[in-house]
Amino acid sequence: SQQGEEDPQALSIQEGENATMNCSYKTSINNLQWYRQNSGRGLVHLILIRSNEREKHSGRLRVTLDTSKKSSSLLITASRAADTASYFCATALSSSGSARQLTFGSGTQLTVLP
Amino acid sequence: EPEVTQTPSHQVTQMGQEVILRCVPISNHLYFYWYRQILGQKVEFLVSFYNNEISEKSEIFDDQFSVERPDGSNFTLKIRSTKLEDSAMYFCASSERPRQGGSDGYTFGSGTRLTVV
Repeated sequence: SQQGEEDPQALSIQEGENATMNCSYKTSINNLQWYRQNSGRGLVHLILIRSNEREKHSGRLRVTLDTSKKSSSLLITASRAADTASYFCATALSSSGSARQLTFGSGTQLTVLP
Repeated sequence: EPEVTQTPSHQVTQMGQEVILRCVPISNHLYFYWYRQILGQKVEFLVSFYNNEISEKSEIFDDQFSVERPDGSNFTLKIRSTKLEDSAMYFCASSERPRQGGSDGYTFGSGTRLTVV
């Protein structure tokens, strides 16, 4: 897989359920970020987790990072119809020169049914 | 909440024409970026800019592309002679000076949809 690949590609759940999206990457990273994009709109930064962190929370979001497996997961608890969007992971590489360049995955399209 | 502002939201141009996409980053941010997203494809890095010069650029950012910070607030992306394959959504982003090294979360603008005909 390429740097920053999400699975599943598409996820459809009922309102109130939890949604879990996964991201895998190939090279050493400085940090991993999750973004959300509503159809045809800009990218909204959700959460950043650094390579020395294992878990982070922000409201209904929970992100984990396993650097040994080069993977991350994004959990959205108690989902709402308004959470319907595409979710992307993006990695910043560990070398200082490239640390500010993000590599995006293909995204997971989440649909939350009311 | 501070925003990154991009103008125009849509731009249609004829192949071979020059286009300038404009961005106003968040005022206290120091790093500026352009990314693009071709319809149905991944978001791709184009260029990063710090201290009035390009700090990194991708293979996509060839001689047809240039960036400028003409004054204290605007950050522009110029495409000198547009090609059909330049049609994409172009996103500007900015970020603060990293506190612990590496990048912090970016703030992205809403994008400019460029259509080359």
